[in-house]
Amino acid sequence: AQSVTQPDIHITVSEGASLELRCNYSYGATPYLFWYVQSPGQGLQLLLKYFSGDTLVQGIKGFEAEFKRSQSSFNLRKPSVHWSDAAEYFCAVATYNNNDMRFGAGTRLTVKP
Amino acid sequence: ETGVTQTPRHLVMGMTNKKSLKCEQHLGHNAMYWYKQSAKKPLELMFVYSLEERVENNSVPSRFSPECPNSSHLFLHLHTLQPEDSALYLCASSPQTSGSYEQFFGPGTRLTVL
Repeated sequence: AQSVTQPDIHITVSEGASLELRCNYSYGATPYLFWYVQSPGQGLQLLLKYFSGDTLVQGIKGFEAEFKRSQSSFNLRKPSVHWSDAAEYFCAVATYNNNDMRFGAGTRLTVKP
Repeated sequence: ETGVTQTPRHLVMGMTNKKSLKCEQHLGHNAMYWYKQSAKKPLELMFVYSLEERVENNSVPSRFSPECPNSSHLFLHLHTLQPEDSALYLCASSPQTSGSYEQFFGPGTRLTVL
């Protein structure tokens, strides 16, 4: 069964600094990969997704992620973090014919002024 | 209303109470999901409905009972819950159950079981 690991429980960055959130997955075939963001008191909002093609995908709010098959990774990046980016970020994996989208445990991002 | 809505947003109940959570999606989707989100744990998929038929039940205790009367509405009926059932319950929908479709989430119901 597929699984998702987010090694960092909590990350703190200064406003304006770059950001990279790590995500590793375990699955035999190429999965469908997602990054979601959850602000306090809110549901999850999709930032970006990868199905196939170009391994560097662009998302909303200036985020991007790169799929690296050799490393089984799908790390999320942003060149310059804004205070409004403080939230919890979830990586998720799914397959074409599988209802069971697996989520990582999440990484909480704190942004320092 | 747009997107996925959930009511109530907060619920406190005793272990002997019976209550229901409601989810409604205004996106014309055919699939709906219940997830449980506990602190420090990954989201746990509880139930999946496709065209009002349950297609997945991930070993959820029988004290949780889902109902999907039509493709726009999903309920989670609760009875004789335990304190460890306290969590954020999220509803989601997608066009179909295939993993190639993103899921759209509601804001959740924060449940506290006393």
